[in-house]
Amino acid sequence: AQKITQTQPGMFVQEKEAVTLDCTYDTSDPSYGLFWYKQPSSGEMIFLIYQGSYDQQNATEGRYSLNFQKARKSANLVISASQLGDSAMYFCAMREGLLGGGSYIPTFGRGTSLIVHP
Amino acid sequence: DTAVSQTPKYLVTQMGNDKSIKCEQNLGHDTMYWYKQDSKKFLKIMFSYNNKELIINETVPNRFSPKSPDKAHLNLHINSLELGDSAVYFCASSQAGDNEQFFGPGTRLTVL
Repeated sequence: AQKITQTQPGMFVQEKEAVTLDCTYDTSDPSYGLFWYKQPSSGEMIFLIYQGSYDQQNATEGRYSLNFQKARKSANLVISASQLGDSAMYFCAMREGLLGGGSYIPTFGRGTSLIVHP
Repeated sequence: DTAVSQTPKYLVTQMGNDKSIKCEQNLGHDTMYWYKQDSKKFLKIMFSYNNKELIINETVPNRFSPKSPDKAHLNLHINSLELGDSAVYFCASSQAGDNEQFFGPGTRLTVL
């Protein structure tokens, strides 16, 4: 079974509108973390936001917020007031537990391509 | 200052050749990673090094070998290159206890 599922291969949004990118995950580990990364057409991977499994509040970073619904095992990314520069691939990722030394192995979803229209 | 750098950015080579991709981070992080991103954009971790010890080794072919001369470098050596090795390879680093991984710009490997 896939650990990270992103069901939307492509999304379109009008500039200045909000958009939600879906992500569901599967884990039996009580301690885990969820990430979102952005990959523009230039190819670099940009960290956006992180949510820990024990965090009580949804994570927010500027125009990005993570809608964390633990019981449903979903960690959707909400981008408010979309900008043309938000057009990119967006990856949801999860780490389960921590390895020795505090490092971790992330598992990535297959990504959602977001296109922002003017 | 570049946080995580990779060289070369592009690598075109023939099947059967041996090649290396270098990665350096100047963030003082103690863990470095190598990822492979295929043509469908699927990103999969290959290796991780923590304090110069290999702590993760996914089921990648043994033609791939990571080499870490020091904490700031994690190079990827690939022997007997195959067509299926064509992909973008990303290096990344993180600090134990931190949640963010910093990625390098990627190396696009094309095997002809």
